[in-house]
Amino acid sequence: KQEVTQIPAALSVPEGENLVLNCSFTDSAIYNLQWFRQDPGKGLTSLLLIQSSQREQTSGRLNASLDKSSGRSTLYIAASQPGDSATYLCASIKAAGNKLTFGGGTRVLVKP
Amino acid sequence: DTGVSQDPRHKITKRGQNVTFRCDPISEHNRLYWYRQTLGQGPEFLTYFQNEAQLEKSRLLSDRFSAERPKGSFSTLEIQRTEQGDSAMYLCASSPLYEQYFGPGTRLTVT
Repeated sequence: KQEVTQIPAALSVPEGENLVLNCSFTDSAIYNLQWFRQDPGKGLTSLLLIQSSQREQTSGRLNASLDKSSGRSTLYIAASQPGDSATYLCASIKAAGNKLTFGGGTRVLVKP
Repeated sequence: DTGVSQDPRHKITKRGQNVTFRCDPISEHNRLYWYRQTLGQGPEFLTYFQNEAQLEKSRLLSDRFSAERPKGSFSTLEIQRTEQGDSAMYLCASSPLYEQYFGPGTRLTVT
């Protein structure tokens, strides 16, 4: 059974600092890995999807890497802004069309 | 593209009552998923449909829970005889195949 872990559970940084968010998973036989952002009381917004054949994906200030052999993915957010304050969730999927298995999330606070 | 919509956004009910939630997926998406999220936790999978067929159900989905997707369009999730432990955010997502797109969720509070 796949287990996804995100450590730390919470993170506070000053504005302008780069953010590094970690995600680890126990079963390396994943199809892809998806990163989401969630604002308090809201649904999930997809940030990046990395297919198992890829090593990284980039979108603007966001970069996500995937190392299947070590069971790790990392989300980098460059030059953080107060608007980046949210909970970030990673989720793996075992096969196309299947369910997502989520980590517990990392709650990020970017202080002005 | 209107995105995934869910109704209602908030529901307060008394223990023992039945509640029903609705999810309207993105129109061309044939896959629809339900997840449940409690405070401070990541979402947990409940069930999913491909078109009108319910393909998988989690053990979290007790016999008080039922989900339908008639004609492969919108979906409903019903909880019978609600318990305080059912208080959570219920999230719906739809997908054409790879990436899942989430709705705003329905917040259920059982008093």
